[in-house]
Amino acid sequence: NAGVTQTPKFQVLKTGQSMTLQCAQDMNHEYMSWYRQDPGMGLRLIHYSVGAGITDQGEVPNGYNVSRSTTEDFPLRLLSAAPSQTSVYFCASRRDSAMNTEAFFGQGTRLTVV
Amino acid sequence: QQQVKQSPQSLIVQKGGISIINCAYENTAFDYFPWYQQFPGKGPALLIAIRPDVSEKKEGRFTISFNKSAKQFSLHIMDSQPGDSATYFCAASYYSTGTYKYIFGTGTRLKVLA
Repeated sequence: NAGVTQTPKFQVLKTGQSMTLQCAQDMNHEYMSWYRQDPGMGLRLIHYSVGAGITDQGEVPNGYNVSRSTTEDFPLRLLSAAPSQTSVYFCASRRDSAMNTEAFFGQGTRLTVV
Repeated sequence: QQQVKQSPQSLIVQKGGISIINCAYENTAFDYFPWYQQFPGKGPALLIAIRPDVSEKKEGRFTISFNKSAKQFSLHIMDSQPGDSATYFCAASYYSTGTYKYIFGTGTRLKVLA
């Protein structure tokens, strides 16, 4: 059982380039989300989805787009990369959006924008 | 206010000692408080969680103490081991725009010396 799979693990982008971070889960979870992790700032929610076809903004959505065409996949798109988007990105899934459902995280994507 | 304040930022403990990490919050609407453990190069994973109607929860060497009136909760790791060396995040669940989301603390990097 793979859980939550993120690709790539590492990426270097030039300012202005675009790219897509992939996230897939095989647990049939309804709820998926993207976080960024920065030193001293913990995990901050970028975008989330409560089911296929439904997405919404989190705490820090600017510069990112998401879509949820299937239950399994939740890609994160950087439209025009900026150095401020240098971070470690984590995708997470939960069975549903109830209060106490466990979040399962992928291994992360370390992104550097130069 | 959607914020959880975590301290200390880093912690060094001798093997066999007690590690204590503290978190505080303001929003009384928070209603579920998980702790996540993250090893280097990995995504966070659920360690232990507590509801605000319980003052303490213990799982093995890990205990959450919860003080609802003070709006504080803490993680205690008894008999700390080098394998416990990781980053620990407290979190709180809150309801917003039709779904429960997690807000994370800034993390505590724990090092247990052998």
